[in-house]
Amino acid sequence: AQSVTQLDSHVSVSEGTPVLLRCNYSSSYSPSLFWYVQHPNKGLQLLLKYTSAATLVKGINGFEAEFKKSETSFHLTKPSAHMSDAAEYFCVVSDPKVTFGTGTKLQVIP
Amino acid sequence: NAGVTQTPKFQVLKTGQSMTLQCAQDMNHNSMYWYRQDPGMGLRLIYYSASEGTTDKGEVPNGYNVSRLNKREFSLRLESAAPSQTSVYFCASRPREREVHGQYFGPGTRLTVT
Repeated sequence: AQSVTQLDSHVSVSEGTPVLLRCNYSSSYSPSLFWYVQHPNKGLQLLLKYTSAATLVKGINGFEAEFKKSETSFHLTKPSAHMSDAAEYFCVVSDPKVTFGTGTKLQVIP
Repeated sequence: NAGVTQTPKFQVLKTGQSMTLQCAQDMNHNSMYWYRQDPGMGLRLIYYSASEGTTDKGEVPNGYNVSRLNKREFSLRLESAAPSQTSVYFCASRPREREVHGQYFGPGTRLTVT
C-alpha cells in the first residue's frame, strides 16, 4: 500500500530565507509525485510534478523538488521565501491511486 | 475555460437533511473525484469516477452517494446529513486514471451540519 508522510505539520521561515518542506513516500510501483499549494479558503493548485523524467523538477513561483529514490523522498525547496508563499502545501503520490499527505503549513515572517 | 466548478460555495444543513453538491469540468477529462478536507487530515477520497459510467468507493464513502451524470458532471449526495460530515468538499478531475496526470481542483464547498 502506498503512503505519504509530510514530516512537518508547520514550518516557519523569515522572508528572504530558504524554504524546505519535507516529504517521504512509499509505493509498490514507480509512482508519480506532486506538490500542491492551497492558499487560505482556496482550492488546490498544482506546483510541480515528477513523472520519471528528470529527478530535479522545477515548478511555478520559484519552487523546485528533487526526487531521491534511494531515500524515498521528494522534498520541496525554494531559495528565498516571499510573503505570498504563506499557504498549506500537500505532497501527493499517484500510482495511479492518489494519496495525499496531511499537509505542511508554511508561515513566512516579515 | 472555467476548469472545475462547484456549487454551492457554502451550505448549512440540519442533521437529517439531504443535499447534492454539484461539480462540473470543461476540460474533457475522463476521471473525476470527490474529496473531503478536515484539519490535520489532508484530503481524503470519498468517491471517484475513472470514466463516464463508472464510480468507485474511496477511503471514506459511508454516508455519501455519487452520480456521474455525463462526462462533464459528477455530483455528491448526502442522504441524511450528520455533524461528522461538516467539512470542506473538493471536486477534482484529471485527463485519465494514469499516474502521470495531476489533478485539477474546484474551489470547494464549505458544509456545516448542525
